[in-house]
Amino acid sequence: SQQGEEDPQALSIQEGENATMNCSYKTSINNLQWYRQNSGRGLVHLILIRSNEREKHSGRLRVTLDTSKKSSSLLITASRAADTASYFCATANFGNEKLTFGTGTRLTIIP
Amino acid sequence: ETGVTQTPRHLVMGMTNKKSLKCEQHLGHNAMYWYKQSAKKPLELMFVYSLEERVENNSVPSRFSPECPNSSHLFLHLHTLQPEDSALYLCASSQERITKAKNIQYFGAGTRLSVL
Repeated sequence: SQQGEEDPQALSIQEGENATMNCSYKTSINNLQWYRQNSGRGLVHLILIRSNEREKHSGRLRVTLDTSKKSSSLLITASRAADTASYFCATANFGNEKLTFGTGTRLTIIP
Repeated sequence: ETGVTQTPRHLVMGMTNKKSLKCEQHLGHNAMYWYKQSAKKPLELMFVYSLEERVENNSVPSRFSPECPNSSHLFLHLHTLQPEDSALYLCASSQERITKAKNIQYFGAGTRLSVL
């Protein structure tokens, strides 16, 4: 599997519900980031969590990181139709500018 | 508006054509990237330029040729492409090297390339 692999691949929920997406990775990381991509557009950075952090919040977003399990989760609370997009996790290794992206989770919010 | 502009937004080319994709960033960043995004595949890093020097070339076929004339501009020159090269090509930029943990990347809207 890829470094930064999201689960599920697709998720549909009703507006107002919470959406949870997971990301697993293989190697040690410096930080892990979540990005959002609207259809046919570029990726937009949402949140960064460092390897020594366990949880981070930004507005309706909550990210957790478990380095022992090499996994992260992104929770979007009180979802809105505008949250419909693909969400990608990306891992950053030490000493390197590269980010390694997964295949993403396609989130659909049903009005 | 992310501060990274890509042109053209859409491009259709034949296998014998030569074309170029352009990326410009207005963020004062010192690293720029080309990615290829194909359906149901992870984002593929193609090239990385840091301080105008190419620091990464991920086994990309020679029919793709990058050029970084200065820290604000990045080009991807295309020639004799194959139909499987059809994809969304994304440009990104970032401020600092990873060692300073400032490697958040800012993406352009991409160029949708179709090779006939």
